Amino acid sequence: DQQVKQNSPSLSVQEGRISILNCDYTNSMFDYFLWYKKYPAEGPTFLISISSIKDKNEDGRFTVFLNKSAKHLSLHIVPSQPGDSAVYFCAASGGGSARQLTFGSGTQLTVLP
Amino acid sequence: DAGVIQSPRHEVTEMGQEVTLRCKPISGHNSLFWYRQTMMRGLELLIYFNNNVPIDDSGMPEDRFSAKMPNASFSTLKIQPSEPRDSAVYFCASSLIDGSQHFGDGTRLSIL
Repeated sequence: DQQVKQNSPSLSVQEGRISILNCDYTNSMFDYFLWYKKYPAEGPTFLISISSIKDKNEDGRFTVFLNKSAKHLSLHIVPSQPGDSAVYFCAASGGGSARQLTFGSGTQLTVLP
Repeated sequence: DAGVIQSPRHEVTEMGQEVTLRCKPISGHNSLFWYRQTMMRGLELLIYFNNNVPIDDSGMPEDRFSAKMPNASFSTLKIQPSEPRDSAVYFCASSLIDGSQHFGDGTRLSIL
């Protein structure tokens, strides 16, 4: 019973283009969402988050969009760079905090030079 | 700034042996989390502590698993006895309460 789903295990994008990573959730109690990036042999690194009171949050090249009615969020990376190649995890929690996170299975992003 | 430090980075041992994984959280962080990552189940939360007190251990798979946090700068995750299905990467993370979690680089555990 996956409460957070990342249906695309992999994505390839050309350098300079937009990368769009998607995430769906089923638990309506989730109200705080995060994206983490993970390189091989390293732990996940926090990237960006969004509270359910917002529908968009931007940080440099990274923007997260939240569609509560569809229980869907997405991460946009513009422009994509080869150094962005990593596994991206979507995570969600309830209670408005980043405490008990439920993670998706991850999407491997490859940015081609 | 030192991040979350986990040791050992790799552990290979025979089934039935006791395994102890260690974690030093970021100084000043008052929440600590233990996760396990496997191909089948992805990244799953095992247990977390607030101010050294275990808050939720519902993710701990069996009684063979135990975790302690004797002080604010140290935590252990112990498996006794270990089994081949415990093979995974174990991550420790820390945060300020309600803050974003900072992960260590993990311990890759192989039980033969």
